[in-house]
Amino acid sequence: GDSVTQMEGPVTLSEEAFLTINCTYTATGYPSLFWYVQYPGEGLQLLLKATKADDKGSNKGFEATYRKETTSFHLEKGSVQVSDSAVYFCALSRTQAGTALIFGKGTTLSVSS
Amino acid sequence: DADVTQTPRNRITKTGKRIMLECSQTKGHDRMYWYRQDPGLGLRLIYYSFDVKDINKGEISDGYSVSRQAQAKFSLSLESAIPNQTALYFCATSGRTSEIYNEQFFGPGTRLTVL
Repeated sequence: GDSVTQMEGPVTLSEEAFLTINCTYTATGYPSLFWYVQYPGEGLQLLLKATKADDKGSNKGFEATYRKETTSFHLEKGSVQVSDSAVYFCALSRTQAGTALIFGKGTTLSVSS
Repeated sequence: DADVTQTPRNRITKTGKRIMLECSQTKGHDRMYWYRQDPGLGLRLIYYSFDVKDINKGEISDGYSVSRQAQAKFSLSLESAIPNQTALYFCATSGRTSEIYNEQFFGPGTRLTVL
């Protein structure tokens, strides 16, 4: 079945460091891919998305490119801030529109000043 | 005001008790979902509903039931709570306008502890 695998955390970085969180997926067809972020004590918020191969999603300095050949959707940011400390979830939607998301297990990012 | 609200935000209950978690949304979406989050396991789908008359089981529906009282309301019940149902529960919605992306909007979560 469909699945998402993302790197285990926690990831600990200093402010202004470069961030990569790896995400790979297994799916039939052509899923849409998402990164969600969960700040402490809050629900999940959509960070960025991509709906087809080679699409690049971007938001708040974060980027991820839908790579069909490597079935990957790695999250990157050039210079992290303390306020980026959160849990990040990679997710995919099944090919049938409207069905639920399949999430990775989440990666905790901690950024220190 | 938040678009997706959940009540209660925190609940402590005892083994064997019946408990209901409620979700309301003002986004006008027809699709609603219940997930549970456990440390190290991510989010797992419990139930989902495409409209008032269409309710479907997710991957971990055993021990849970749901009710879609109206388009805007979707409740999750634990008929007889057990300690391994201690988790953070999230409600989410998605609408036809975002259908091709399946973007979902999440509530703030309910932290449930079963003693």
